[in-house]
Amino acid sequence: GAVVSQHPSWVICKSGTSVKIECRSLDFQATTMFWYRQFPKQSLMLMATSNEGSKATYEQGVEKDKFLINHASLTLSTLTVTSAHPEDSSFYICSANSALEQYFGPGTRLTVT
Amino acid sequence: QKEVEQNSGPLSVPEGAIASLNCTYSDRGSQSFFWYRQYSGKSPELIMSIYSNGDKEDGRFTAQLNKASQYVSLLIRDSQPSDSATYLCAVGGGNTNAGKSTFGDGTTLTVKP
Repeated sequence: GAVVSQHPSWVICKSGTSVKIECRSLDFQATTMFWYRQFPKQSLMLMATSNEGSKATYEQGVEKDKFLINHASLTLSTLTVTSAHPEDSSFYICSANSALEQYFGPGTRLTVT
Repeated sequence: QKEVEQNSGPLSVPEGAIASLNCTYSDRGSQSFFWYRQYSGKSPELIMSIYSNGDKEDGRFTAQLNKASQYVSLLIRDSQPSDSATYLCAVGGGNTNAGKSTFGDGTTLTVKP
């Protein structure tokens, strides 16, 4: 199957700072990538759809000014959590479509202190 | 009604038994159906895709699709303790989801030695 990577795999930051998470499709090109958030023992929650060369589409309730998404190339999308707060601590997972199938990156665990 | 519904679980089976996971979906125009496995603390991993009615077998896994009943299932034969995970059903290609997959909340399976 297709391979999606994420960096970093975990990050700890102080409240009020910003954190950038990278998502790369390693062996295919992805015009569309997705960003999810998952709290412990809860379901995946889709945050936004990232489209190469255009603005991201955010799900209802997700603050687009807080979660900045940039999909600058066919293999890279970034999620920046701005002015992070402890409630933003979560497991952030990206995914990308290869043909009809959606492949997930390994996730980034963010802890805001 | 949720777009994709799964057995609430948790599901517990003894080692060597057949585990049966079920999923129903509401968008009759859906065309692609997936099962993901998610171990605790990890991101989802695609284990089966199915696009046409009937059964699709891959090793110990069999996916079954019935579009008329809007039902998809996953059977795991000879269940092993390593199969203990949360299984996510995902449905895509429908009329309302604009190319992205819609995920169920997952069913947690425990295989007891």
